[in-house]
Amino acid sequence: DTGVSQNPRHKITKRGQNVTFRCDPISEHNRLYWYRQTLGQGPEFLTYFQNEAQLEKSRLLSDRFSAERPKGSFSTLEIQRTEQGDSAMYLCASNEAGAQETQYFGPGTRLLVL
Amino acid sequence: SQKIEQNSEALNIQEGKTATLTCNYTNYSPAYLQWYRQDPGRGPVFLLLIRENEKEKRKERLKVTFDTTLKQSLFHITASQPADSATYLCALDMAGGSTLGRLYFGRGTQLTVWP
Repeated sequence: DTGVSQNPRHKITKRGQNVTFRCDPISEHNRLYWYRQTLGQGPEFLTYFQNEAQLEKSRLLSDRFSAERPKGSFSTLEIQRTEQGDSAMYLCASNEAGAQETQYFGPGTRLLVL
Repeated sequence: SQKIEQNSEALNIQEGKTATLTCNYTNYSPAYLQWYRQDPGRGPVFLLLIRENEKEKRKERLKVTFDTTLKQSLFHITASQPADSATYLCALDMAGGSTLGRLYFGRGTQLTVWP
């Protein structure tokens, strides 16, 4: 499968714990996006990378959130000191800058904070 | 800030009929607008993109229109089938077609096609 992959698919954690999600984009894509989606809502933009550079962060991305893409390939999204309000589906998408406007989404990681 | 409204949270139609979904937006004028399909527990899947200088685009049973004066896009599925049942998301760029690439999504319309 050459699509976008995300791991884990599901994560249950207790409030206050740290969690880390991974996204592997389509290999030739240099742009990688993170979105958050809550029930009944559309995806909300969090941040995006072009290669290894993080070019934009949403105001939704509080100080407890950090994202990296160290080698311009896979990316990680870490949430520190999780809160119940962090419960959501975290989606990753990728595309090729300048060549595509469409974004290719992964299956998402569903986070539940107890 | 940009506001995107999709006409209703749910739309139920009979198989074989045409489903019409509406997306309205305010403030900015996007360079393009996209429609995605999302099944439960899955990520969105791209369906169609229409640019600001295009009035209509078709792909098989799908048709999208884009009226920049009304700030509205209509998404049609003709000869609908139960397999078309899903949530359909409208998305647009914020930056007038620049290279930023971030998308703003509506909350989606859940379509159910019954036999």
